[in-house]
Amino acid sequence: TQLLEQSPQFLSIQEGENLTVYCNSSSVFSSLQWYRQEPGEGPVLLVTVVTGGEVKKLKRLTFQFGDARKDSSLHITAAQPGDTGLYLCAGEIGFQKLVFGTGTRLLVSP
Amino acid sequence: NAGVTQTPKFQVLKTGQSMTLQCAQDMNHEYMSWYRQDPGMGLRLIHYSVGAGITDQGEVPNGYNVSRSTTEDFPLRLLSAAPSQTSVYFCASRPSGGVYIQYFGAGTRLSVL
Repeated sequence: TQLLEQSPQFLSIQEGENLTVYCNSSSVFSSLQWYRQEPGEGPVLLVTVVTGGEVKKLKRLTFQFGDARKDSSLHITAAQPGDTGLYLCAGEIGFQKLVFGTGTRLLVSP
Repeated sequence: NAGVTQTPKFQVLKTGQSMTLQCAQDMNHEYMSWYRQDPGMGLRLIHYSVGAGITDQGEVPNGYNVSRSTTEDFPLRLLSAAPSQTSVYFCASRPSGGVYIQYFGAGTRLSVL
């Protein structure tokens, strides 16, 4: 059972555009994480959000955790080719148990 | 500081063969996990460990065994490989307590023919 739905699955944009990736669930999470994964490598943690309504910024990336801790979004401002990759959200549902979304594959063209 | 190291990077097996995927971390993390990543499925938890001598099953444990004799190492064993186990396998570790911060290895790409 897939508890986390990510959208869109694919996104192809031009450099300088803005984008938002969504991660939705009917389950409540203790925390939620966002990862970026490049081909042939493991996921790399970008951020962990814990509190409902929390907003965290990492340079041009803004992460928001829903008030009810069931959903999250990742917004990228002025995307660059270096942002290209697979973005994964993951929710903590129990002790040492993460549920991953299916991912959003982002391509930013110069 | 190497972080999480997985070997081998690539492996091809025949159905019924056995093998062990190695995972080592040098960060003295108590918690370690194994995931598999399949197209359209995201990452799914196979087994995890909260310390030496302690392991537990994740979402998709069938066909896999693990053990944890030291803090550093957490090998994943396939006793009789099946084509359904063709996947990319990732090992991860994290410190106990505090905010959930997990580090992944580079993965092992396994094909079972």
